[in-house]
Amino acid sequence: DADVTQTPRNRITKTGKRIMLECSQTKGHDRMYWYRQDPGLGLRLIYYSFDVKDINKGEISDGYSVSRQAQAKFSLSLESAIPNQTALYFCATSDSGANVLTFGAGSRLTVL
Amino acid sequence: AQRVTQPEKLLSVFKGAPVELKCNYSYSGSPELFWYVQYSRQRLQLLLRHISRESIKGFTADLNKGETSFHLKKPFAQEEDSAMYYCALRYGGATNKLIFGTGTLLAVQP
Repeated sequence: DADVTQTPRNRITKTGKRIMLECSQTKGHDRMYWYRQDPGLGLRLIYYSFDVKDINKGEISDGYSVSRQAQAKFSLSLESAIPNQTALYFCATSDSGANVLTFGAGSRLTVL
Repeated sequence: AQRVTQPEKLLSVFKGAPVELKCNYSYSGSPELFWYVQYSRQRLQLLLRHISRESIKGFTADLNKGETSFHLKKPFAQEEDSAMYYCALRYGGATNKLIFGTGTLLAVQP
């Protein structure tokens, strides 16, 4: 079983719809992150969380929100999706004692 | 502000040829650098980090603070090395945030 699981893996939606991407982990890590990957732009940090009560904005948080429902769960929401949010989204985790990220398999979102 | 630059989008080499994937960084603090790799249909994963000073799958990378570089090298490329490679810089102290370069696609031809 995967340590970091993302659902859904693929999603096609329409402009204006609300979308939630979910991430769960079994690694027991306290830190969780959401990145988006765009061709030619690499990975950019959207939000990160150090524990259930700690949420922080990353480089490109506009248009997104997150929820840390439990230590093992970190969801990303697009309240009103727009086409330039079409991208591959990655969840990642890390332990506070280490500086290495463990990534999920990614969620490909297409906004029409 | 911190920045990671990977100047090559694509690097194509023949099997057995040397490989060098370039990475330059800009950061006012003490840098900690990583190489992550994404093989086809696999997850992004850590390849190596400069503080470990180790060789993974024949790859090495040396931090050069004078040239602000962390180039990834391998003396003899293998077809299974074909992948997308990302250089990353840790910043923000205890916040453990990474900034990634734009990535280089390494294609090793038979």
